[in-house]
Amino acid sequence: DQQVKQNSPSLSVQEGRISILNCDYTNSMFDYFLWYKKYPAEGPTFLISISSIKDKNEDGRFTVFLNKSAKHLSLHIVPSQPGDSAVYFCAATATGTSYGKLTFGQGTILTVHP
Amino acid sequence: KAGVTQTPRYLIKTRGQQVTLSCSPISGHRSVSWYQQTPGQGLQFLFEYFSETQRNKGNFPGRFSGRQFSNSRSEMNVSTLELGDSALYLCASSSQGTETQYFGPGTRLLVL
Repeated sequence: DQQVKQNSPSLSVQEGRISILNCDYTNSMFDYFLWYKKYPAEGPTFLISISSIKDKNEDGRFTVFLNKSAKHLSLHIVPSQPGDSAVYFCAATATGTSYGKLTFGQGTILTVHP
Repeated sequence: KAGVTQTPRYLIKTRGQQVTLSCSPISGHRSVSWYQQTPGQGLQFLFEYFSETQRNKGNFPGRFSGRQFSNSRSEMNVSTLELGDSALYLCASSSQGTETQYFGPGTRLLVL
């Protein structure tokens, strides 16, 4: 049972344009969500997170939106840069009860063309 | 602050052997989680330790075990290795009261 899903395996975007990566979840207990960026043979790098008490969080070029009723979150990258090309994972957890367990989606490969 | 470190970075073993991987968390972080990443299954949670106690365990066989020391460093052990154990093993640490985990570079294990 895949509780966190990233339905787009890949996304291709032109440099300077917006990249939108999507993530859906099914577990109603999840109340904290994170996005990670990963290069091959490296560990994931934390990008941005959002708590379920908010519907938007911004950090520089990265903005995460949360739609609790739809159980959907998205990561917007504006403007996209070639260095953003990587695999992006969304992750979810239930605060106070998951004890160190993040549940990850399968990842989306983002390619930003110059 | 130094990031999460993992040793060794690469490892080749044969079926039936056992292996021990090491993880040093960010200074001050007391929670250490371990994950397995494979092409087919993605990132799967193995277990989590906090103050030398295992608080959570994923759906992996008993061949996968771990421990945490008083300085928060952690080790995971896989006994009787199988070909399917070939994967990238990642550890992550977090500070008390937060859910954000910071990952190490991983250990790439190849079982022949």
